Amino acid sequence: DTAVSQTPKYLVTQMGNDKSIKCEQNLGHDTMYWYKQDSKKFLKIMFSYNNKELIINETVPNRFSPKSPDKAHLNLHINSLELGDSAVYFCASSQETYGYTFGSGTRLTVV
Amino acid sequence: AQKVTQAQTEISVVEKEDVTLDCVYETRDTTYYLFWYKQPPSGELVFLIRRNSFDEQNEISGRYSWNFQKSTSSFNFTITASQVVDSAVYFCALSEARRGKLIFGQGTELSVKP
Repeated sequence: DTAVSQTPKYLVTQMGNDKSIKCEQNLGHDTMYWYKQDSKKFLKIMFSYNNKELIINETVPNRFSPKSPDKAHLNLHINSLELGDSAVYFCASSQETYGYTFGSGTRLTVV
Repeated sequence: AQKVTQAQTEISVVEKEDVTLDCVYETRDTTYYLFWYKQPPSGELVFLIRRNSFDEQNEISGRYSWNFQKSTSSFNFTITASQVVDSAVYFCALSEARRGKLIFGQGTELSVKP
């Protein structure tokens, strides 16, 4: 049973397209996150939701919109994709600060 | 402001050598948590350890050990008798109790050669 699962694992798309990445956790955690890992391996938080409520929204272009239909799901929708959006996107969940469990990542390539 | 610094970008060792990965952090909070994650070539992020700011005891888990020193704001990670399977990028991270988000260091890429 995968604790945090995200789909798809790989996503190749053309500039200007709109795409979504889905994330689900079965750990019963209250908080979910999206992190972006750039080509230099640097990991930076994008968003955080606690019980479906947005609590962290870092400086991210408006083209990125998270959606949390329930506390077990946090999806990431990206409009008008740009070359610079190419990265690995990680979903994670946590219960307070006891531990953060990450999904296996989605490698997004914009061509 | 919160910050995590891993000054070593890349380290290369020969199998069976001991290696220490450095991590220095900055925070104004008195309650915080420190983490180490491993990212092998397959790409997933593997949790290694969590430490809270009130527990300065060193931790040992097999060949892995961690040294937490509040006086120098450091949380260093040592691998004893390194193996090729230890080759990965290692991240140190900080979480403040009231903010919850993880702040990562830049990562240290460890290469263990046979």
